[in-house]
Amino acid sequence: KAGVTQTPRYLIKTRGQQVTLSCSPISGHRSVSWYQQTPGQGLQFLFEYFSETQRNKGNFPGRFSGRQFSNSRSEMNVSTLELGDSALYLCASSLVVSTDTQYFGPGTRLTVL
Amino acid sequence: QQQVKQSPQSLIVQKGGISIINCAYENTAFDYFPWYQQFPGKGPALLIAIRPDVSEKKEGRFTISFNKSAKQFSLHIMDSQPGDSATYFCAASIGMSAGNMLTFGGGTRLMVKP
Repeated sequence: KAGVTQTPRYLIKTRGQQVTLSCSPISGHRSVSWYQQTPGQGLQFLFEYFSETQRNKGNFPGRFSGRQFSNSRSEMNVSTLELGDSALYLCASSLVVSTDTQYFGPGTRLTVL
Repeated sequence: QQQVKQSPQSLIVQKGGISIINCAYENTAFDYFPWYQQFPGKGPALLIAIRPDVSEKKEGRFTISFNKSAKQFSLHIMDSQPGDSATYFCAASIGMSAGNMLTFGGGTRLMVKP
């Protein structure tokens, strides 16, 4: 079974631009979560989606948003990029919403210049 | 408070030795405690997880010890191997009502010397 896939793997943007990252969960998985990983702040929860509904949201500004489609694929969007948004953005999927095992994708490395 | 504190930040162990990583948490509502292993260029992968009703869980060379009263849990890697060299993260979550929101520790970079 294919794992979690994230596209693109690498992205370079400039301040003020916006970006959309994509995540395809493992087949059959209905829950998708997003995390930001930086050397300074570590791994931080962004948001979680299940059946196209946002269930939880982390402590990030409104510039960070996401959505989930009927096929469970998810996208996250960051508007008005700042230098501090440079990070590895990780997507994780699980079968259902619970403390079920989350499987992480390889991440998208975003660099903001 | 949602914080999970992890120590040490880095660890060097000889091949065959025991690697020990510790985590402490504040929120007594946490009821699921997984450990993740991350290699460079890869996403974190679940190693082993424990719930508070169990004091110890062992899977192969990996053991979680859990102390509910002290609000601490630790990962022991027995017979450490160079292939275990990676970054390890402890995490915690509140459970079904909170979905899959994981609160991570700061990570421990483990190097196992041959």
